[in-house]
Amino acid sequence: AQSVTQLGSHVSVSEGALVLLRCNYSSSVPPYLFWYVQYPNQGLQLLLKYTTGATLVKGINGFEAEFKKSETSFHLTKPSAHMSDAAEYFCAVSKNTGFQKLVFGTGTRLLVSP
Amino acid sequence: DTAVSQTPKYLVTQMGNDKSIKCEQNLGHDTMYWYKQDSKKFLKIMFSYNNKELIINETVPNRFSPKSPDKAHLNLHINSLELGDSAVYFCASSQAGTRDEKLFFGSGTQLSVL
Repeated sequence: AQSVTQLGSHVSVSEGALVLLRCNYSSSVPPYLFWYVQYPNQGLQLLLKYTTGATLVKGINGFEAEFKKSETSFHLTKPSAHMSDAAEYFCAVSKNTGFQKLVFGTGTRLLVSP
Repeated sequence: DTAVSQTPKYLVTQMGNDKSIKCEQNLGHDTMYWYKQDSKKFLKIMFSYNNKELIINETVPNRFSPKSPDKAHLNLHINSLELGDSAVYFCASSQAGTRDEKLFFGSGTQLSVL
């Protein structure tokens, strides 16, 4: 079975500070990993995903994540937070890219203060 | 143009009632999904349909019955609503097997059972 653990239900940063949202996964097969963002009263949007190849993945809005197999991690980072980044972030894992049966983490709310 | 649209956005009803949530996607995708997000933001897949055929059914009570009249629609009918059904329900779609496959989510239907 696959699972995802997101450390910290809330993360607070100041505008301009580094954003680090943690995600650890468990998978019996090589995983496909995703980060989704949910703005208030909206559906989830894909930020970035890792399937194969380069372990550092760049996504939209300046976010990136690095797949570290040895640490079973896929942490999300952004060098400089913007007020508009305040949202709920979900890490997810799946076994394959067909009929995506994503298993989501419990989410991390990012709060950005001026 | 909205890619994945679901109606209604809010649904308030009494226990025991039957209700439906509709979902339509105009992306030409062949796979559609229903996800349930509980009050703690935990997001879990319920169903998935590919070309109108059920491919994922995650041990959801049989009070929940998805219906896919065509590839662009996946409706969710819920019989005998219970308090525990209160949640936000998200419809999503994807094109299975494509190189850049990703889920596109609707903006959610907030169901409140009183």
